[in-house]
Order: sequence, then structure tokens, then C-alpha cells
Amino acid sequence: DAGVIQSPRHEVTEMGQEVTLRCKPISGHNSLFWYRQTMMRGLELLIYFNNNVPIDDSGMPEDRFSAKMPNASFSTLKIQPSEPRDSAVYFCASSPAPQGSEQYFGPGTRLTVT
Amino acid sequence: GEDVEQSLFLSVREGDSSVINCTYTDSSSTYLYWYKQEPGAGLQLLTYIFSNMDMKQDQRLTVLLNKKDKHLSLRIADTQTGDSAIYFCAEKSGNTGKLIFGQGTTLQVKP
Repeated sequence: DAGVIQSPRHEVTEMGQEVTLRCKPISGHNSLFWYRQTMMRGLELLIYFNNNVPIDDSGMPEDRFSAKMPNASFSTLKIQPSEPRDSAVYFCASSPAPQGSEQYFGPGTRLTVT
Repeated sequence: GEDVEQSLFLSVREGDSSVINCTYTDSSSTYLYWYKQEPGAGLQLLTYIFSNMDMKQDQRLTVLLNKKDKHLSLRIADTQTGDSAIYFCAEKSGNTGKLIFGQGTTLQVKP
């Protein structure tokens, strides 16, 4: 059974460029979460969806960040324009339960903005 | 506000038991979790405990919860070199889906 799938695994881009990160949750899971991991701030929840609807986006750092979930099997996190301080590992997680009791993480996308 | 604290580093010898500790502040926590992260990988859910439980055992892993002191621990019996990783404690409060993570404990297992 495939786990959470994220693409790309690594992304290197120049400041000012648009970056789109993709996530396919585990089939049948109702909730999807986007996290960011940095050395300085650890793991931070950016946004989560329940049944494709954004529930809490209070962790999204700025208007440059946006996330969508057009259907139950796909979500994107977009950064436009990207900045060097956005460099981090971005994780997607999914959960079978509406309130996310068990969250299963993808392998992450390592983003480097130069 | 919500906060989860862990010690940053633990070193043990292969075959010994490891105990990783965590404290949290949110008294309305409903679930508490332990995740494992190996280098370059995502977080792997190891185990979790509901807040009305005191203990949960799963093979080599034992989770102890002291709700009064808001203290959670993970004991790994017969620690192996493959257990070397960063271990994250996390708590979920109320009916939100939000997990609050600790900063992670790096476990080093020496042969």
C-alpha cells in the first residue's frame, strides 16, 4: 500500500521564482496536512484540510504561500515569489480520521531558494 | 500557549534500554504521539497514546503517560543501532487536527 507521495523530492530555485509542491495522500484518508521543518523552528503546521476544505491556515507564514486541495487525492502548496528564508523541508501528512488522530507523513520536499 | 519540550540528545550502548522524555503544557491534550525520523526521511509514526491511558506497550516500545505532571516517556528495550534517529514527541489538543511537536531528541546508539 503506497504511503503519502510528495513531489519533487528536491527543488532548487532562485529567489523570486514560483515553487509548487505536490502531495498525494493515502487513499481513503480524509485529512491532509502541510508542515515545514527547519533547524531554527522545528516542525510547524502550515495548513490542514478536512474533506478537501481548508480548516486551519493560521500557520501559513505570508500571502506568498497558498495551498489547494482540488480533490481527495491531490494537494499543492505554492510559494510565489519564493525567498531564501523559505528554504526548508516541506512535509505533507494525511490522516484517516477527521481530526487527524493518526497522521502519516510523506518523505518531504527539500526546498532550497538561492 | 501550547508547548512541548524534549531533551536534545541521548546516547546509549547497543542492547541497553533507552528512555526519551517529553513534557507538554496543554492540559486538554487528547492524544500524545511518538514519531521517528531517520536522516533524509519523513516522520514515521511509532505509537500514540490516548490521554486517559497510563501506559501502552508495543513490542520493544513502552509509552508511559503521567497526566498530572504532563510527562510522557518512550522506552525502547534492547536498543539496536537501527534505532539511531531523531524522536519527536507531539501532542494534539481538543478537536483540532493540529499537532504540536517537540524539538526532537537525537538518539545515538553505540555498538
